[in-house]
Amino acid sequence: DTEVTQTPKHLVMGMTNKKSLKCEQHMGHRAMYWYKQKAKKPPELMFVYSYEKLSINESVPSRFSPECPNSSLLNLHLHALQPEDSALYLCASSPLSAGVSTDTQYFGPGTRLTVL
Amino acid sequence: AQSVTQLDSHVSVSEGTPVLLRCNYSSSYSPSLFWYVQHPNKGLQLLLKYTSAATLVKGINGFEAEFKKSETSFHLTKPSAHMSDAAEYFCVVSDDDYKLSFGAGTTVTVRA
Repeated sequence: DTEVTQTPKHLVMGMTNKKSLKCEQHMGHRAMYWYKQKAKKPPELMFVYSYEKLSINESVPSRFSPECPNSSLLNLHLHALQPEDSALYLCASSPLSAGVSTDTQYFGPGTRLTVL
Repeated sequence: AQSVTQLDSHVSVSEGTPVLLRCNYSSSYSPSLFWYVQHPNKGLQLLLKYTSAATLVKGINGFEAEFKKSETSFHLTKPSAHMSDAAEYFCVVSDDDYKLSFGAGTTVTVRA
């Protein structure tokens, strides 16, 4: 099973709201990722967690706050977002087998976020 | 440094005819190369992966890709297009810790 699940599928929020996106995988993968994808563009990497520790933060604004409570779960906490943050947010995971960081990444279906 | 160029932003084919999506890459090392497909409002699905075991890689749904080191290419083909193949296709290279370099994408439309 190569399934990554994401909830919710759709989210509409105002600029003063606080919300969270959730990502889960039960494949035993030890690296998890958040990407942002705007329409007609490829995904852009935001954060990487490896072995539940934040490995990469691609200079993402602090209104996005990632959290990795355990090896299966990844959250993205949202606060005071701007309308330009509206996008498809994708989660991915990869095995990190033998510590290989160029492993295949498996993507979830995404959360479509709209900021009003 | 790694980068990917998808040579066609849009490809239109008739159902039942071959599909060719072109991809060139540059990489400092021996890269892993991938093709992903994204249907409208969906996540990315892995079609196939090259990791130096064989230059011709077979993927899901009848797709295959050939790795040509001398041409730094990794073109994706399918002998007979189906309506369900209409989607966005991304060529991706990975030779850096955790980071994928995506091509700009190729939109495939399939005419009945």
